[in-house]
Amino acid sequence: AQKVTQAQTEISVVEKEDVTLDCVYETRDTTYYLFWYKQPPSGELVFLIRRNSFDEQNEISGRYSWNFQKSTSSFNFTITASQVVDSAVYFCALSDAGSGNTGKLIFGQGTTLQVKP
Amino acid sequence: DAMVIQNPRYQVTQFGKPVTLSCSQTLNHNVMYWYQQKSSQAPKLLFHYYDKDFNNEADTPDNFQSRRPNTSFCFLDIRSPGLGDAAMYLCATSRGGTVYGYTFGSGTRLTVV
Repeated sequence: AQKVTQAQTEISVVEKEDVTLDCVYETRDTTYYLFWYKQPPSGELVFLIRRNSFDEQNEISGRYSWNFQKSTSSFNFTITASQVVDSAVYFCALSDAGSGNTGKLIFGQGTTLQVKP
Repeated sequence: DAMVIQNPRYQVTQFGKPVTLSCSQTLNHNVMYWYQQKSSQAPKLLFHYYDKDFNNEADTPDNFQSRRPNTSFCFLDIRSPGLGDAAMYLCATSRGGTVYGYTFGSGTRLTVV
């Protein structure tokens, strides 16, 4: 069965601290995609990254970085030098062959990040 | 800019009064999805269209229906809204599934009074 677990419900940090959001996934498929989305208070889902199961390279984009480890089925997200504008709910999501050719997204429960000034 | 547009941004409806939420896209994507997101929960897929083919999730209540009259538009109809249907409804599109990624609209926040 497909499942995404974000064990951290809420995280609070002070501005400029680094913070890591954890994501653990379950799938029986060898081909799958993992995503991170940001949801600010306004409600829209902002796409951050997509990673396919064959690409285990870590990625860095500005202050954001992602660590994909198939051995532990984890796809963790780190924000370096956090800013108040990073405050949002962050969702990790999975789509695999079990989702059919139309690719249903299975979301984790989300982690609420609060960055205090 | 090509995008996914949801109207209205906020919708208030009365208990039991039918309501329709709309989604339009200028991306010419094949697939359109409707997700329901209740407060402090993850988005949950209700159904999707691949072109004209409708695919309902097994646990989507019968109270929820959808229409896709053409490629650009997709509607979510709630026949008799209950208090438990208050949520953010998110529309998303995709060119053909996971490998192409998804584009989400800004959502419609539904309140039932």
